[in-house]
Amino acid sequence: KNQVEQSPQSLIILEGKNCTLQCNYTVSPFSNLRWYKQDTGRGPVSLTIMTFSENTKSNGRYTATLDADTKQSSLHITASQLSDSASYICVVSYGGSQGNLIFGKGTKLSVKP
Amino acid sequence: DTAVSQTPKYLVTQMGNDKSIKCEQNLGHDTMYWYKQDSKKFLKIMFSYNNKELIINETVPNRFSPKSPDKAHLNLHINSLELGDSAVYFCASSRRLAGPLYEQYFGPGTRLTVT
Repeated sequence: KNQVEQSPQSLIILEGKNCTLQCNYTVSPFSNLRWYKQDTGRGPVSLTIMTFSENTKSNGRYTATLDADTKQSSLHITASQLSDSASYICVVSYGGSQGNLIFGKGTKLSVKP
Repeated sequence: DTAVSQTPKYLVTQMGNDKSIKCEQNLGHDTMYWYKQDSKKFLKIMFSYNNKELIINETVPNRFSPKSPDKAHLNLHINSLELGDSAVYFCASSRRLAGPLYEQYFGPGTRLTVT
């Protein structure tokens, strides 16, 4: 069964600190993995997209890693800011067509001053 | 603004009513989607259209009927609304980047509350 599991479910950190969010997946055939940021009351916004041949990708203070062998991904946030408070959703695409997506339940991150 | 837009943003209605949510994208994308995000924040795809043709139709009650009058619009009509339909509905569109990669853009969501 295709599944995407994220941990932790929620996380509270102080402004300026780093944090790492985890994503494990059992999706086949794997196409790509993406991380989305969803602010409260808004739609998800793409942060990174990685294929199986990429093991790291950065977008500003966000760095995603992918280990296709162990089927794990992480999203590292450096020097967190209050605006990083959001849900972070790991999404795995399978097959070749658009729309074949399995969503994780997300990690709710709260950055406190 | 270049974006995916949805109307209305909030919709409160009674059980048994019929309602529609509209979605428009001015990004020139060929593929559009409807997602449902329940109270546990879990996003699930409902439908996907490519060039006005239905390509994904997940296990959704047939009370939900999508309609795509043209590539830029994908509307969602819901008949005989039930309490369990309360959720946030997101429209999205996508464009192919390279090979199997595509970029997806989401609308702001429509919060549907059925009383």
